[in-house]
Amino acid sequence: GIQVEQSPPDLILQEGANSTLRCNFSDSVNNLQWFHQNPWGQLINLFYIPSGTKQNGRLSATTVATERYSLLYISSSQTTDSGVYFCAVEAGANSKLTFGKGITLSVRP
Amino acid sequence: IAGITQAPTSQILAAGRRMTLRCTQDMRHNAMYWYRQDLGLGLRLIHYSNTAGTTGKGEVPDGYSVSRANTDDFPLTLASAVPSQTSVYFCASSVRGGRGYEQYFGPGTRLTVT
Repeated sequence: GIQVEQSPPDLILQEGANSTLRCNFSDSVNNLQWFHQNPWGQLINLFYIPSGTKQNGRLSATTVATERYSLLYISSSQTTDSGVYFCAVEAGANSKLTFGKGITLSVRP
Repeated sequence: IAGITQAPTSQILAAGRRMTLRCTQDMRHNAMYWYRQDLGLGLRLIHYSNTAGTTGKGEVPDGYSVSRANTDDFPLTLASAVPSQTSVYFCASSVRGGRGYEQYFGPGTRLTVT
């Protein structure tokens, strides 16, 4: 099956710093989503981005499908950005999302 | 109701007992899914349903069953719980199954089997 690798596994930032989170995948995809899992465990949809670039406030994402990677950019980080960021992809026609292991982000005041 | 609800929020269950986790969505999505999240293993698909009346097996279906009698509800049943089923369970839905539709997740159920 498709492999999803996220890097770095852990990231510590000072409030106000910028960061880039990476997701590599091993095959062509129909769907790519970024999620933020907050400290209460809730999975929040950030982006649905199988290709191209999207922006939502301080967050933006770019997926280069031909090179099989996606990047999530966080600018001017805030303590509320802390949590785990997951990339998930769907390959083939079975709707199964395959998740990466996640990137744990800690933003310090 | 807005989005996906799951019940219970958390549960401690004795091994060997039967348990049904409930999931309801009000978005009229055709497709629904059950995932489990385990430390170090991420989220893995248990079962899915592309439309009411149909279900399919995911990556880790053993020990679980599902039914999809209508569009809104997708219960997950553990017939005889075992400690390895201790996990956080997430229900999700999308407009339709097949290729490339965004999935939305419920708040999760934390299950501990003792």
